Amino acid sequence: QVQLQESGPGLVKPSQTLSLTCTVSGGSISSGGYYWSWIRQHPGKGLEWIGYIYYSGSTYYNPSLKSRVTISVDTSKNQFSLKLSSVTAADTAVYYCAMGVGATELFFDYWGQGTLVTVSS
Amino acid sequence: SYVLTQPPSVSVAPGKTARITCGGNNIGSKSVHWYQQKPGQAPVLVIYYDSDRPSGIPERFSGSNSGNTATLTISRVEAGDEADYYCQVWDSSSDHPEVFGGGTKLTVL
Repeated sequence: QVQLQESGPGLVKPSQTLSLTCTVSGGSISSGGYYWSWIRQHPGKGLEWIGYIYYSGSTYYNPSLKSRVTISVDTSKNQFSLKLSSVTAADTAVYYCAMGVGATELFFDYWGQGTLVTVSS
Repeated sequence: SYVLTQPPSVSVAPGKTARITCGGNNIGSKSVHWYQQKPGQAPVLVIYYDSDRPSGIPERFSGSNSGNTATLTISRVEAGDEADYYCQVWDSSSDHPEVFGGGTKLTVL
């Protein structure tokens, strides 16, 4: 069974860069066929997909966040990471990493437990 | 961009059947996935490709999709089914392919 675990700072100052890492266990990112994703949830709100990366390094981002988002992968560590630049209070949310399945009709089969990131000075 | 519409809340008595709808333009032509989220927890996939159940999800959970409405049906509802439920599609023809519904709070009376 695949497990995902987010890690990173829980508090980020406005205008700085939010950085999170997702460590995958029970499966290899390099095995292919999966779309390693970041999804966030603002407090009390619904789900928002941020983007995904394939093991080859190809990425696909939410157009509304694209200018500020970078997702990268480190297959040697079986990890993928999120960087979100120029954060504001509107980026305060629980951030989830997830394993996406099905390239043309993607769904999210496994999720990390989520990590709350607060943007505040 | 594509929009999915869910009722904010649905209430059902234990042992009865709950139906949670997800509306979208010609949603029947797309694959719909459903997630259950309990307070303080990550979402859990309960239905994918309209009606398939992941291993470990009870047979009480089923899905259907036709026309402009997809439906998640929970039979013989239990107190432990109380949660938020989200529908999701991947609209590959759109610049913004991922779409989640706004979520439905299922209350077990």
